[in-house]
Amino acid sequence: NAGVMQNPRHLVRRRGQEARLRCSPMKGHSHVYWYRQLPEEGLKFMVYLQKENIIDESGMPKERFSAEFPKEGPSILRIQQVVRGDSAAYFCASSPPPAGGYNEQFFGPGTRLTVL
Amino acid sequence: DQQVKQNSPSLSVQEGRISILNCDYTNSMFDYFLWYKKYPAEGPTFLISISSIKDKNEDGRFTVFLNKSAKHLSLHIVPSQPGDSAVYFCAASGILGTYKYIFGTGTRLKVLA
Repeated sequence: NAGVMQNPRHLVRRRGQEARLRCSPMKGHSHVYWYRQLPEEGLKFMVYLQKENIIDESGMPKERFSAEFPKEGPSILRIQQVVRGDSAAYFCASSPPPAGGYNEQFFGPGTRLTVL
Repeated sequence: DQQVKQNSPSLSVQEGRISILNCDYTNSMFDYFLWYKKYPAEGPTFLISISSIKDKNEDGRFTVFLNKSAKHLSLHIVPSQPGDSAVYFCAASGILGTYKYIFGTGTRLKVLA
C-alpha cells in the first residue's frame, strides 16, 4: 500500500531555470495539498487541489508558482525562473474527502529544491 | 505573524520518562489540532489529533491536552523511547478552511538511552 509519493526527492536548479515537482497521492485520495518548509521553519500551506480544480491557492506566491492536479497523472507544482529564495523542502499531502469537516493529511517524503 | 508557536526548539528526555511538548496558538477560530512527527529526510507522520470540543485525547503512549482558555495544547509521551527522537510539529485548522493546516516551527525531541 504505497503512501504519498513525491519525485524527485532532490532537485538542483540554477537561477532562472524551471522546477517541476511531482506528487502522486495515496490510492483513493482525491485531495492534494502542497506545503513549503524553509530552513528552521514550520511547514507553510501553499495550495489545495482536487482533480482538475484549484480549491485554494492563497498560500502560493503570486508570480512564478503554479500547481495543477489533472484528471490523470500526478499533481505538479511548477516554479518558473527559480531564485535562491525558492530553496526549500516542498511537501505534498493527500487526503480523502473531509469527513465532518476535518481530515487527516498524509504527507509524502518531500522534494528538496536547491537553487544555485 | 506566527499563529501557532512552539517556543522550545529542542527537548532532551531520559528513556522511560515523560516527554511534554508544548504548543500555543493565537487564533480562537482554530478548533482542530494535530501533532505530527518528522524524521530527517522524511515527511511528517500524523500522530494524534483533538477537536476543540474535547480537552484530552489519548492513543497508546501519546496523549494530547487542550486548554482552550489558555490557547495551549501539549503532547505527552509516556514512557519515552529512543525511537521517539524526532521533530514534533503541532498544527491547527479552523472553521474557515479546515484543510489549511497552520504549523508551528517544531520541537526537536531527543530521548536518551
